[in-house]
Amino acid sequence: GQQLNQSPQSMFIQEGEDVSMNCTSSSIFNTWLWYKQDPGEGPVLLIALYKAGELTSNGRLTAQFGITRKDSFLNISASIPSDVGIYFCAGQYAGNMLTFGGGTRLMVKP
Amino acid sequence: DVKVTQSSRYLVKRTGEKVFLECVQDMDHENMFWYRQDPGLGLRLIYFSYDVKMKEKGDIPEGYSVSREKKERFSLILESASTNQTSMYLCASSKPGQGGEKLFFGSGTQLSVL
Repeated sequence: GQQLNQSPQSMFIQEGEDVSMNCTSSSIFNTWLWYKQDPGEGPVLLIALYKAGELTSNGRLTAQFGITRKDSFLNISASIPSDVGIYFCAGQYAGNMLTFGGGTRLMVKP
Repeated sequence: DVKVTQSSRYLVKRTGEKVFLECVQDMDHENMFWYRQDPGLGLRLIYFSYDVKMKEKGDIPEGYSVSREKKERFSLILESASTNQTSMYLCASSKPGQGGEKLFFGSGTQLSVL
């Protein structure tokens, strides 16, 4: 099946720093999604992107749908301790099931 | 508050045992899914269901089966548990027509097979 490469696998940052993570694919998608999984919980949808080049924000989070349709980026500005968790990208093509990336584990030092 | 509820948070089973993981959703969603989550591999789809008594294989169905007798309940069955099935199992649901994009997840069941 399709593969999504998500990087970095983990990040340990200082509170207040900005964070960037990305996903790349060998195939195109027509929807990109970003989920966050808090410790001990299931993933929750943060941002959905539907068009190549689209830039969407949700509070301190900003995500972009890459122009080639093969990648997506998530930025978090001014990180806080509650940003801790695992962030997953997911791609979808037509009516197919989601393909998830391997996740980025974010740790924030107060 | 809408919810997807998984019956157990932690389970420890022995190799060869038959294991049932239960999931219930109260959102009247037609679609339900079972994923397994392993470090570095993300979420991989085991089985999904679009309707009662209907099931479709996902990417990694081997060693698993499912049952959907009622709309709100979707069960994952490990017929004969093996150590390589030690994992976090996540149930999810969604409305039809969304192709799985707006998934609502349960909190997960951490299964250890000894």
